[in-house]
Amino acid sequence: RKEVEQDPGPFNVPEGATVAFNCTYSNSASQSFFWYRQDCRKEPKLLMSVYSSGNEDGRFTAQLNRASQYISLLIRDSKLSDSATYLCVVSGGQNFVFGPGTRLSVLP
Amino acid sequence: DVKVTQSSRYLVKRTGEKVFLECVQDMDHENMFWYRQDPGLGLRLIYFSYDVKMKEKGDIPEGYSVSREKKERFSLILESASTNQTSMYLCASSRPGGNYEQYFGPGTRLTVT
Repeated sequence: RKEVEQDPGPFNVPEGATVAFNCTYSNSASQSFFWYRQDCRKEPKLLMSVYSSGNEDGRFTAQLNRASQYISLLIRDSKLSDSATYLCVVSGGQNFVFGPGTRLSVLP
Repeated sequence: DVKVTQSSRYLVKRTGEKVFLECVQDMDHENMFWYRQDPGLGLRLIYFSYDVKMKEKGDIPEGYSVSREKKERFSLILESASTNQTSMYLCASSRPGGNYEQYFGPGTRLTVT
């Protein structure tokens, strides 16, 4: 089993839609959780950290369920500019483990 | 503006050549990382370093070595390039510990023929 697994995608959604991405991790000792965004042919960039109580940043909401070892990302009112690959990242110390990513295409 | 730079965006090398990939960060970060990214496999950690002259193997260190002589610079070395090392190589840096954002360089697309 991979350490970090994500919805395989791709997700093709119309502008304005709400889309949710799921991620599971296998290491129960993991301590820190993140969502990164990677545009085509670009480097990954931090979208948001994920906190135990859940957190929101504008149209983006991240949730963490430690008991189920599950992380989610919800994007509301999708924009064309949200088209990218979303990477779930888990850390248990000095290292970061990346999920394979879920590609999102927002269509006009 | 924080910055991680990599020596080349595109590189073409022949099988058996020794290849050096350079990474420099200007944020005074202790931690630096080398990943490779392949379609369907995501980012995989090759090596990381948490201090000058310190290095730790990641998930796929075979065929690679690293050097960190100065805090701001982390080099990845392919001792004898092979075609299965054709990939996108990404360097990153972060503050110590796993709670902090990683900053990535733009990547080097290496093709080994």
